[in-house]
Amino acid sequence: EVQLVESGGGLVQPGGSLRLSCKASGFTFMYYSMNWVRQAPGKGLEWVSYISSSSTMIYYADSVRGRFTISRDNAKNSLYLQMNSLRAEDTAVYYCAREVGGSYYFDHWGQGALVTVSS
Amino acid sequence: QSVLTQPPSVSGAPGQRVTISCTGSSSDIGAGFDVHWYQQLPGTAPKCLIFGNNNRPSGVPDRFSGSKSGTSASLAITGLQAEDEADYYCQSYDSSLSAVVFGGGTKLTVL
Repeated sequence: EVQLVESGGGLVQPGGSLRLSCKASGFTFMYYSMNWVRQAPGKGLEWVSYISSSSTMIYYADSVRGRFTISRDNAKNSLYLQMNSLRAEDTAVYYCAREVGGSYYFDHWGQGALVTVSS
Repeated sequence: QSVLTQPPSVSGAPGQRVTISCTGSSSDIGAGFDVHWYQQLPGTAPKCLIFGNNNRPSGVPDRFSGSKSGTSASLAITGLQAEDEADYYCQSYDSSLSAVVFGGGTKLTVL
């Protein structure tokens, strides 16, 4: 069974940093591209970042480019999101999502990790 | 403001048919990129409902169907059930933004 489990969320002050992790199991992680998608409280879904299976291609939404860094460790079956210079508007549930081979759609999602940016 | 436009809400009685529209532009749906649909039940993560415009993942009932034409797409739900009450999101890819894009979401209420 495919499982994606996020961790690392929490409360952080504006300007602070946080690192999210997503542990994958039940599939061959190194074969799949991965994404982060977030959802602000009471709002819709917003794509955040993409990383290819071998980390050769990385993309970011304009709203986070230059502040967030996506990475992965295929040996550890793990995906990461380093978030720096956090703002109140970054407050959201962050989901990691598996992408199906270049199709731009997500067939499996984690349960989400809540990040709250507040003083 | 979302790149793809969906109605904020739709409703229907049990057993009825409802449709949810998703309108894009020439740089996303109109450029030939597929449309995908997700269902998000209250307090849970999104779940893929339709992929590649009109394909259902294993386990999704055939009451759910998708279609695409021009710069728009639609999700149809027939034989509405109480358990279908959820938020529904369309998603595609935008070549001018080089980004995955979502609709703003539609809340389905089963009366």
